[in-house]
Amino acid sequence: RKEVEQDPGPFNVPEGATVAFNCTYSNSASQSFFWYRQDCRKEPKLLMSVYSSGNEDGRFTAQLNRASQYISLLIRDSKLSDSATYLCVVNLPNDYKLSFGAGTTVTVRA
Amino acid sequence: NAGVTQTPKFQVLKTGQSMTLQCAQDMNHNSMYWYRQDPGMGLRLIYYSASEGTTDKGEVPNGYNVSRLNKREFSLRLESAAPSQTSVYFCASIQGAYGELFFGEGSRLTVL
Repeated sequence: RKEVEQDPGPFNVPEGATVAFNCTYSNSASQSFFWYRQDCRKEPKLLMSVYSSGNEDGRFTAQLNRASQYISLLIRDSKLSDSATYLCVVNLPNDYKLSFGAGTTVTVRA
Repeated sequence: NAGVTQTPKFQVLKTGQSMTLQCAQDMNHNSMYWYRQDPGMGLRLIYYSASEGTTDKGEVPNGYNVSRLNKREFSLRLESAAPSQTSVYFCASIQGAYGELFFGEGSRLTVL
């Protein structure tokens, strides 16, 4: 079983729609969680960290569900510029080997 | 601010040739990483260096060697390139184990 799994999508949504997707992780001891964004043929960049209480950054909301071992990302009022691949990243305590999911592709259409 | 700089950005090799990918960061980060990214596979860790003077294997180390030359530089060497090593390689750095990973722009390697 992979350490981090994501629905690859693609999620094709119209502008203004809400899109949400999850990332599951296998190790219950995982401590740190992140969402990265990767545009086509570019390097990944941090979108947001995921805190236990959930957190919001503008139109983006991240949630952590430790009981079911998944994190989620919700994008409200989608913009064309949100089209990208979203990578889930999980880290164990005192472990430098961050684990990446394969990514979820989101395409926002006009 | 340069951040993480990788060279070369593109390279074509023949099977059996060797080459070194260079990576340097100017953020005074302790930890550095080499990942490869293949379609549908996400980012897979090749090697990492938690701090200057240490290196450790990641998920897919076979066929690669690394050198943490100093705190700034972390190089990846392919001793005898194989077509299976055709990929996009990303170098990254992080201050601790839980902060933001900063990536270089990637090195696109093709092995014929």
